[in-house]
Amino acid sequence: LAKTTQPISMDSYEGQEVNITCSHNNIATNDYITWYQQFPSQGPRFIIQGYKTKVTNEVASLFIPADRKSSTLSLPRVSLSDTAVYYCLVGTTTDSWGKLQFGAGTQVVVTP
Amino acid sequence: DSGVTQTPKHLITATGQRVTLRCSPRSGDLSVYWYQQSLDQGLQFLIQYYNGEERAKGNILERFSAQQFPDLHSELNLSSLELGDSALYFCASSVGTGGDYGYTFGSGTRLTVV
Repeated sequence: LAKTTQPISMDSYEGQEVNITCSHNNIATNDYITWYQQFPSQGPRFIIQGYKTKVTNEVASLFIPADRKSSTLSLPRVSLSDTAVYYCLVGTTTDSWGKLQFGAGTQVVVTP
Repeated sequence: DSGVTQTPKHLITATGQRVTLRCSPRSGDLSVYWYQQSLDQGLQFLIQYYNGEERAKGNILERFSAQQFPDLHSELNLSSLELGDSALYFCASSVGTGGDYGYTFGSGTRLTVV
């Protein structure tokens, strides 16, 4: 199972773009990259998933370089409500995702 | 509302007792996952069921057990409770056994053991 490394915390101001990079050097060929967001006392919420290049949805963008050894979650124009912990997970969708452990995640704090 | 329903939302019980946490997955989802989240441990995977069968086991204590019923709801049983079992317990569900498009978490049950 690919291990992931991401920053412990990041601070930002409202309206700025926040980029969180996750390292996954031993990612396997069949592995996908998925990001979750968690607010205090709530369950994690799926944000975005990708395999390669770039994926964009209404919430975020996910950039994956050609070697796939890292990925960057981009949150455009953050607001106070984007203050949360963000988790990066790597694994194949054909495996039991339950085996994957959520790491410590990245605590993003957005201030006015 | 994520579509995954967990009850109760809060539970306070004494050490040595037994409790049952319930989870109803999102409509159409066959897999149910249980996670424990405490302040010092982060999100820890406990166990997964798929269509009634145990699929994967994580760091689940022998005092804990779970099952998934024919209607796909799941129950997590915690017995001989200790103070250290105090945590948020989350249930998540997904369509298949894998993580296609991620999986959906419930809002959790906060267990306090006193």
